[in-house]
Amino acid sequence: DSGVTQTPKHLITATGQRVTLRCSPRSGDLSVYWYQQSLDQGLQFLIQYYNGEERAKGNILERFSAQQFPDLHSELNLSSLELGDSALYFCASSVGGSGRNTGELFFGEGSRLTVL
Amino acid sequence: GDSVTQMEGPVTLSEEAFLTINCTYTATGYPSLFWYVQYPGEGLQLLLKATKADDKGSNKGFEATYRKETTSFHLEKGSVQVSDSAVYFCALSDGGFSGGYNKLIFGAGTRLAVHP
Repeated sequence: DSGVTQTPKHLITATGQRVTLRCSPRSGDLSVYWYQQSLDQGLQFLIQYYNGEERAKGNILERFSAQQFPDLHSELNLSSLELGDSALYFCASSVGGSGRNTGELFFGEGSRLTVL
Repeated sequence: GDSVTQMEGPVTLSEEAFLTINCTYTATGYPSLFWYVQYPGEGLQLLLKATKADDKGSNKGFEATYRKETTSFHLEKGSVQVSDSAVYFCALSDGGFSGGYNKLIFGAGTRLAVHP
């Protein structure tokens, strides 16, 4: 158990809809990362937040957005969903900031999104 | 930008065979290098890491040496077991360890299947 919790584990929805994926990082971790894992594109970095602020942005579509709340949990919002958005979405956390940071990311078990 | 290239899979081996999974990287600075493993139905977990040139990371019988001259971080294990069947990801950290700047860039992953 990595200590990172993601909900829901599975989600099936239709094209054009909007979904929200939730992530609770490990206790004490300030950084949250979102990754998309699909069969054809591997593991793609989407976005990183550190203590509530966006720190790095990767291949995140404009239809997608994320935020990190004061209690450090994060949500990834996916809108106007398309068939190609079907994937496994991982959240990861790390310490960041003060304290020893080993560079290791701790991953949740993922949220599997299926768009029909 | 920074990138990671690893050998395509699947790699199929018999139990007790020797394993090598090749990984090379491109980076402008001096990244830290990681191997993560993903067992079926689970999130990624850190297998081993190396933070500077000539460092050797090791864990659970797996080893990898950070070779700056060849920009490589090949994963090896002398005798694989059926329980090692998983997807293995090579990754680099493109930032320092302060301020949470440790986004990981992953390779495409290599699926390993070990048969009795």
